[in-house]
Amino acid sequence: AQKVTQAQTEISVVEKEDVTLDCVYETRDTTYYLFWYKQPPSGELVFLIRRNSFDEQNEISGRYSWNFQKSTSSFNFTITASQVVDSAVYFCALESGNTPLVFGKGTRLSVIA
Amino acid sequence: NAGVTQTPKFQVLKTGQSMTLQCAQDMNHNSMYWYRQDPGMGLRLIYYSASEGTTDKGEVPNGYNVSRLNKREFSLRLESAAPSQTSVYFCASSAFRGSGNTIYFGEGSWLTVV
Repeated sequence: AQKVTQAQTEISVVEKEDVTLDCVYETRDTTYYLFWYKQPPSGELVFLIRRNSFDEQNEISGRYSWNFQKSTSSFNFTITASQVVDSAVYFCALESGNTPLVFGKGTRLSVIA
Repeated sequence: NAGVTQTPKFQVLKTGQSMTLQCAQDMNHNSMYWYRQDPGMGLRLIYYSASEGTTDKGEVPNGYNVSRLNKREFSLRLESAAPSQTSVYFCASSAFRGSGNTIYFGEGSWLTVV
């Protein structure tokens, strides 16, 4: 069965610190897709990134970067020089086989000024 | 560009009452979903519709029914609301299920059952 584990329930950092959010996934499928979503205090879900299982290249988008490692079944998300606006709940999610998107329980990030 | 629109945004129900959450998307997507979000639980899939005319159960379907009215609309019905159904409900859509297409979410519906 597909499963996503976000072991960090809450993280608190001071502004300008770097922070990494961990995501570990489980699936028996060889083709699968990993996602990160952001949920700010306003409640909407904002898509951040999608990565397929055949593309292990790390990706950087501004202050955001993602490290995908199939060997450890991890898809970690790093925010560099965090800002107060980064405060949100972040969800990692997995789509594989015929199963629609399965979410982790989320990590609440608080960035303190 | 509306994307995924769900109504109502807030609702308070008494135990045993029924209600329908409405969802519509304007992106010509084939697949639509209903998730619920509870504190500490992440988002869990209630039902989904891979394409018009089909619906399938997700992880937590008990107490709910769905209707895929047409390609645009996918409604979620609570026939006899229970306090355990107090939650935030999200409707979502994607071009196709299972192909890694991005799933876009509505703004959420806050439901309280007293």
